[in-house]
Amino acid sequence: DAGITQSPRHKVTETGTPVTLRCHQTENHRYMYWYRQDPGHGLRLIHYSYGVKDTDKGEVSDGYSVSRSKTEDFLLTLESATSSQTSVYFCAISEGTDSYEQYFGPGTRLTVT
Amino acid sequence: GEDVEQSLFLSVREGDSSVINCTYTDSSSTYLYWYKQEPGAGLQLLTYIFSNMDMKQDQRLTVLLNKKDKHLSLRIADTQTGDSAIYFCAESGAYTGRRALTFGSGTRLQVQP
Repeated sequence: DAGITQSPRHKVTETGTPVTLRCHQTENHRYMYWYRQDPGHGLRLIHYSYGVKDTDKGEVSDGYSVSRSKTEDFLLTLESATSSQTSVYFCAISEGTDSYEQYFGPGTRLTVT
Repeated sequence: GEDVEQSLFLSVREGDSSVINCTYTDSSSTYLYWYKQEPGAGLQLLTYIFSNMDMKQDQRLTVLLNKKDKHLSLRIADTQTGDSAIYFCAESGAYTGRRALTFGSGTRLQVQP
């Protein structure tokens, strides 16, 4: 298995509070991604990174920000959590080969009350 | 825009073959993927196929690609109860700059003993 960990694995927070999720990889892969998974929607891309300090938006980026100060860490921040951000969040990494393979972390289940 | 569609549910008996189908709209897709998700876990890459191939076999898994019809299928031979999971189809078409994938909503495979 690819060396990807996510923390925390579960979190319950209140509406309006800031939340930061962490993804850590030991594979030294260049690309990192944050997805959210909701019933009936599959996985949707929130933000991605193509290198240290290089990030860009995905399809559902509103209300989220990211940072990548080191190759191994990619942080996802919800500035002011809302109930619509209750979801399972997955981090993925990719080496950047032509086949675009992505490897996923175990996920973080976030509940916003 | 690009879209990936899958049927929601498939039930088979242990020992039978399972066929999970997927259709996609992006004709520029270069790679197509199958991922497996077990309860409470992240997505596990099962296999992928390059768009100039018609078929790829890997042990019990056979991937068939009909590029003309934009149809992808995953056949699991001798299906076992451990194959019960959600299977996601994904394609690498439009977002070449991001090296990101577009996922279907997933097919839940239930294997009955």
